[in-house]
Amino acid sequence: QKEVEQDPGPLSVPEGAIVSLNCTYSNSAFQYFMWYRQYSRKGPELLMYTYSSGNKEDGRFTAQVDKSSKYISLFIRDSQPSDSATYLCAMTPNTGNQFYFGTGTSLTVIP
Amino acid sequence: DADVTQTPRNRITKTGKRIMLECSQTKGHDRMYWYRQDPGLGLRLIYYSFDVKDINKGEISDGYSVSRQAQAKFSLSLESAIPNQTALYFCATSDYRTGQETQYFGPGTRLLVL
Repeated sequence: QKEVEQDPGPLSVPEGAIVSLNCTYSNSAFQYFMWYRQYSRKGPELLMYTYSSGNKEDGRFTAQVDKSSKYISLFIRDSQPSDSATYLCAMTPNTGNQFYFGTGTSLTVIP
Repeated sequence: DADVTQTPRNRITKTGKRIMLECSQTKGHDRMYWYRQDPGLGLRLIYYSFDVKDINKGEISDGYSVSRQAQAKFSLSLESAIPNQTALYFCATSDYRTGQETQYFGPGTRLLVL
């Protein structure tokens, strides 16, 4: 079993839709959770960062962590064509030795 | 200027050749990482280094070696390249001292081994 599972998609939505991206994990030691956005032929860029359980909001983006279910989510409100990218979840234990990534979900927002 | 740079950005080589991918950072971070990305497999860790004197193997280190020449420089070598090493390679850095465990990636090197 992989440490982190992520549905690869692809996911296609109309502009303005609410997008929900999800990851599950198996290691209860994970404390730090991240979402990265990766445009084609570019490196991943940090989008959201959360520590432990709870919600974090930044503009149109909301990250949720449910440690009891080992489940994290990224919500995108009022999605835009510029949101079209691959979204990677990542996490690490509190020691921060290694980061564990999901395989990424490809999102296309259609104008 | 980019905080994490990688050279070359694209490379085509032949089976059996030795090649080196280089990474430099201006973020002042101690920790540096090398990943490869393949379709459907995501990012897989090759090697990581917590400081100049510390080198650690990652999930898929076979066929690769690294050198941490300075705090800001971390190189990845393929001693004898093979076609299944064709992939997108990323260097990343992190700074645990901020208390925020996250990574910053370079733009990637696209490698094709013929």
